[in-house]
Amino acid sequence: NAGVTQTPKFQVLKTGQSMTLQCAQDMNHEYMSWYRQDPGMGLRLIHYSVGAGITDQGEVPNGYNVSRSTTEDFPLRLLSAAPSQTSVYFCASHSGGPTGELFFGEGSRLTVL
Amino acid sequence: AQKITQTQPGMFVQEKEAVTLDCTYDTSDPSYGLFWYKQPSSGEMIFLIYQGSYDQQNATEGRYSLNFQKARKSANLVISASQLGDSAMYFCAMRETNTGNQFYFGTGTSLTVIP
Repeated sequence: NAGVTQTPKFQVLKTGQSMTLQCAQDMNHEYMSWYRQDPGMGLRLIHYSVGAGITDQGEVPNGYNVSRSTTEDFPLRLLSAAPSQTSVYFCASHSGGPTGELFFGEGSRLTVL
Repeated sequence: AQKITQTQPGMFVQEKEAVTLDCTYDTSDPSYGLFWYKQPSSGEMIFLIYQGSYDQQNATEGRYSLNFQKARKSANLVISASQLGDSAMYFCAMRETNTGNQFYFGTGTSLTVIP
């Protein structure tokens, strides 16, 4: 019963490096999203997808790229890492139904030096 | 404007006492859902309770209940008989139907249960 799986759990990058956070869900959810969590700011939406081939920007999309080629996978790409992107990242999915809660991955802690 | 407002950055409660965590929301969508999540120090997000905008009764899940006051746009979480394991961050969230079912989160309340 995997649910939402995101990798890696920890990553240290140097400024300017690029990387991809992987996210996969096995619940056949249409909706997937990426959030970042910073102290005192709650969870802020980076990008989201309402189905394969469809993505849209959230509240804080700059510096991040996403794609949704399959229902299961929703990777988040950091194009050129900056110290301001040091954060904890959560991938999440939900079914979109009237009572559908958001299912979260375990989180990925990213440090940009 | 903030969609979800949690005005209590930190709260303390004595073990076995009840505690209320405040949450107000802002939406013009008649169809929405309200959620509470718990985040212990280990970091995972745990779903606690859900309230739909059309639900007539307050939601309850074990020791958790949601005090839903629609006219005041508030959705406070009540934890009864607090336990040491309840010490965590608590996030209120809202899902709106008319914005593509996006979820909006508050800034969270850190709850500490004192033995």
